[in-house]
Amino acid sequence: EVQLVQSGAEVKKPGESLKISCKGSGYSFTTYWIGWVRQMPGKGLEWMGSIYPGNSDTRYTRYSPSFQGQVTISADKSVSTAYLQWSGLKASDTAMYYCARNPDINSDILDYWGQGTLVTVSS
Amino acid sequence: QSALTQPASVSGSPGQSITISCTGTSSDVGAYNYVSWYQQHPGKAPQLMIYEVSNRPSAVSDRFSGSKSGNTASLTISGLQAEDEADYYCSSFTSTSTLVVFGDGTKLTVL
Repeated sequence: EVQLVQSGAEVKKPGESLKISCKGSGYSFTTYWIGWVRQMPGKGLEWMGSIYPGNSDTRYTRYSPSFQGQVTISADKSVSTAYLQWSGLKASDTAMYYCARNPDINSDILDYWGQGTLVTVSS
Repeated sequence: QSALTQPASVSGSPGQSITISCTGTSSDVGAYNYVSWYQQHPGKAPQLMIYEVSNRPSAVSDRFSGSKSGNTASLTISGLQAEDEADYYCSSFTSTSTLVVFGDGTKLTVL
């Protein structure tokens, strides 16, 4: 059974750093892209970027222009885990963050989703 | 990259059919057969319901169907059931650097 299990909810202060995780199981982690999707409170879905854990070349990490430079996406194939990190959180980063499996970067298909990680940034 | 345009809300009675539209541009919906639909119940993660315009994952009921004409894609739900009440989002691959664009979302109410 394909599963993506995300790390737990976080409460942080503005300016703090954070790294959340997404652990895949039940499939070959290195042969599928992992995408990250933001959902701000009461709002819709936004694609942030994707990574292909099977290749460490920087060309295999893609960012939406809206999130380029704001977050860093990485992966450790030895533990089948993808990460999303911030170096200086803002209140506007308060949102639910989902990881999802993407069979092909040249498609919009997100076929399995994690349960979400709620990030709250407040002073 | 602007979000794809969906109606904010639709409603229907049990047993009826409803259709949700998703309008994009010639750079996304109109350019590729990569349109997906997701169902999201309150407090839950989205679930893939339709991919590549009209394909259904094996676990999804055949009451859900998708189509596309030009720059507009549609999701039709037939034989509405109470459990269908949820938010629905469309998405499309896009030729811009954004790669994937989502719709604004549509809240489906089963009366």
